[in-house]
Amino acid sequence: GENVEQHPSTLSVQEGDSAVIKCTYSDSASNYFPWYKQELGKRPQLIIDIRSNVGEKKDQRIAVTLNKTAKHFSLHITETQPEDSAVYFCAASLYNFNKFYFGSGTKLNVKP
Amino acid sequence: EAQVTQNPRYLITVTGKKLTVTCSQNMNHEYMSWYRQDPGLGLRQIYYSMNVEVTDKGDVPEGYKVSRKEKRNFPLILESPSPNQTSLYFCASSPGTGGGVTQYFGPGTRLLVL
Repeated sequence: GENVEQHPSTLSVQEGDSAVIKCTYSDSASNYFPWYKQELGKRPQLIIDIRSNVGEKKDQRIAVTLNKTAKHFSLHITETQPEDSAVYFCAASLYNFNKFYFGSGTKLNVKP
Repeated sequence: EAQVTQNPRYLITVTGKKLTVTCSQNMNHEYMSWYRQDPGLGLRQIYYSMNVEVTDKGDVPEGYKVSRKEKRNFPLILESPSPNQTSLYFCASSPGTGGGVTQYFGPGTRLLVL
């Protein structure tokens, strides 16, 4: 099956700095890559996603890049704010967006 | 309000006592899934369903059963719970074919098996 690895497991940045979280996947058939944010005690919520036919996608301060050849994708958060502090999960999906494999998560701490 | 609901939210039980966690969505979504979340392991998919009466195994299906008799409901059944099934469980739904792929998660069910 698919294997998704996520790094780093924890990331601490100063408010206003950028944060980058990286994921790799093993199955070249994966074709959809969402990113979720989970605040403490809450449910995961989709923040951005990218499909395999696109190399980059941006939504305000958040961007995702995908390198299909290297089988890795990254989340970029610019101008970080304390409310960005949360656990972020990447995922890869096979088979018509039904079967999902998640990374182990990155705990982002944005220091004011 | 469009939402995914789960019940119960918290459950303490003993080994071997059958239990069911319910999941319901009011968005007419085709796709539904169950996940478990454990520290350091992220979310792992247990089962998923593409529509009524269509279910398939995710990454960690052992010890779990599901059914999809109605489009809105997708219960998770633990026939004989064991302590290693102590976890945080999330149900999720998404529109499905032609309707988008965004998954919407329920609030979670925290299960403790003694």
